[in-house]
Amino acid sequence: DVKVTQSSRYLVKRTGEKVFLECVQDMDHENMFWYRQDPGLGLRLIYFSYDVKMKEKGDIPEGYSVSREKKERFSLILESASTNQTSMYLCASSFRGATTNEYNEQFFGPGTRLTVL
Amino acid sequence: EDQVTQSPEALRLQEGESSSLNCSYTVSGLRGLFWYRQDPGKGPEFLFTLYSAGEEKEKERLKATLTKKESFLHITAPKPEDSATYLCAVQGYGSSNTGKLIFGQGTTLQVKP
Repeated sequence: DVKVTQSSRYLVKRTGEKVFLECVQDMDHENMFWYRQDPGLGLRLIYFSYDVKMKEKGDIPEGYSVSREKKERFSLILESASTNQTSMYLCASSFRGATTNEYNEQFFGPGTRLTVL
Repeated sequence: EDQVTQSPEALRLQEGESSSLNCSYTVSGLRGLFWYRQDPGKGPEFLFTLYSAGEEKEKERLKATLTKKESFLHITAPKPEDSATYLCAVQGYGSSNTGKLIFGQGTTLQVKP
């Protein structure tokens, strides 16, 4: 079974702190994603990566950065946390899906509930 | 622009009362349509992928179907443990290399005993 793990289930930080959210997958997936989920707004894509050291902005990248130094690990960084970044953060991974034998189902981690005070 | 709309936003059913959730989509060349289940406070759990119109997939009390414009998730004789938010997502051929999905807002299902 695909397993996506996230470093923390719950995290409380103070405004201005630098925050690292870690995600690890064990299925050798090329693609990795970071989303945030807020009531009434659904899942919103922050950043994604389709290869090591590659990254692309999603729909709401402002205030975030990412790092992918190894294929299995994708980190989300809040350079200076703000209260409006209080949210559920979800990491996902998938195969590249460039061929008909590879499909793009995304598999999600359990989520990190981040509270910024 | 690729778009996914799910309806209804919320659905309350009595145990055993069958119903359907709808996912309408517009995408330039559908590569796949995905259904997920999400329990409160947890990450979405993958249920099905559908690739072409006319395709159907089943899992326990759930059956997903696909047309050229929409997908339905039919729930037959639901039980309280089927209560969750159900998410629909699509991928166009233009996103196949990056794996990006477009998600709908979800339908929150509550099944009362």
